[in-house]
This record gives sequence, structure tokens and C-alpha cells, in this order.
Amino acid sequence: QLVESGGGLVQPGGSLRLSCEASGFAFDSYGMSWVRQAPGKGLEYVSGITGVGGTTDYADSVKGRFTVSRDNFKNTLFLQMNSLKIEDTAVYFCARMVSRNWGLLGHWGQGTLVTVSS
Amino acid sequence: IVLTQSPGTLSLSPGDRATLSCRASQWVSTSFVAWYQQKPGQAPRLLIYETSSRAAGIPDRFSGSGSGTDFTLTISSLEPEDFGMFFCQKYGTSPLFGQGTKLEIK
Repeated sequence: QLVESGGGLVQPGGSLRLSCEASGFAFDSYGMSWVRQAPGKGLEYVSGITGVGGTTDYADSVKGRFTVSRDNFKNTLFLQMNSLKIEDTAVYFCARMVSRNWGLLGHWGQGTLVTVSS
Repeated sequence: IVLTQSPGTLSLSPGDRATLSCRASQWVSTSFVAWYQQKPGQAPRLLIYETSSRAAGIPDRFSGSGSGTDFTLTISSLEPEDFGMFFCQKYGTSPLFGQGTKLEIK
């Protein structure tokens, strides 16, 4: 199970930290991703991180502003979002990668809504 | 790479055959193409990976095919629960999604 939290309303230029608490599987054995969906729009891959956290990737749209990390002792995935823009408004899903397939997402949380507005 | 899905909306009836297209702007290995279904208010669900392999628990009325730049998701006989949004994805290096096809009840 994957449960996201930390979403909310933030002003442009502000920061927010999302969390995704995992349970029911060996968290450190799986790569994890964040995917977002703007209201009424499609899916956008945001970021990914390997099981031990040594490798990460980011979409160009968030590179330099967002940072993905994980705490394998607490079975939790994070997304630190800085310098937020209005276009970052979306539901943010965390998802578990299918073993050894980077970006292939077999299990998803229900998402947390981030609204960037003044 | 850009993934373009067509049609934007597909209106069909239960029992019909649905054919959804995903065209890539560059060659994509069949090893790295997936399809997801998303219903309103829900998270996406993985249907197909490696172009044609069904994910666990996915009924065999769902099938995937294609190669090169053209990929297809086929639903052989639509059930009422099959309607929703469908997204193709290239995974591996720099994952990305198509813009989606809405499959609605006619």
C-alpha cells in the first residue's frame, strides 16, 4: 500500500514536501517514482529513485527545483518541491516500479493534491 | 520523444472492439512500451508492459501489439468496467506518457 500526504495550497515561489508511506512490501528493494496529473490533464512523470537511493532522475520541467529522496528505515518516499509555479498544480501520485524496469509503475497510491495559487 | 495517442475520444458500446493507437516520434524498443487505464478519481492501473505482456490480474480481452513507432492497445469485447482514460508510456530512460485516449460509453 502507498499513501501520499503533504499536499495543500501554497503560493507561487513557495515550498512543499510530499511524503509517501509504503507498507506490505520490501520497500528498499524497489525503485519508486512520482507522477503528477494536472486537473483534467494527462499523466506526467516527475521523478524516480532507485531502491537504495543512489540514482535519481527528474523531468526537465522540475529539474533543479524538486528533489526526490527516501528513508528506507521509515519506508517513506519524499518529494521536496521548491520554487513552486502555478503550473505545478496537480495531483501527485507515488508509484512503485516493477522490479528492474525503470519507470514501469505497477502499484500506485491514491495521490495528494498540490495547488499553487496566490 | 513524443507519444501521440489517437483518437482523443472513442465512443463505443459494450461488446464492441476497441483499438487505441500510440505513435512515437522516434523508434521505441518493444521492451519499453506500457499501457495504463485510469478511471475518474482513481489512480492509474498498469495493463500491459513490454508492448504485449499483460500485468497480473488483467483479463485476456486486453492485448497489446506494435513495434518501431506504432503501438496498439486492443480490447476485444468491451465490458462496462473497461471505460475510462488510457495512457501509453515509454519507460526506461526518461519515462514519458502519451496524452491519453478517453474511452466512453456510446
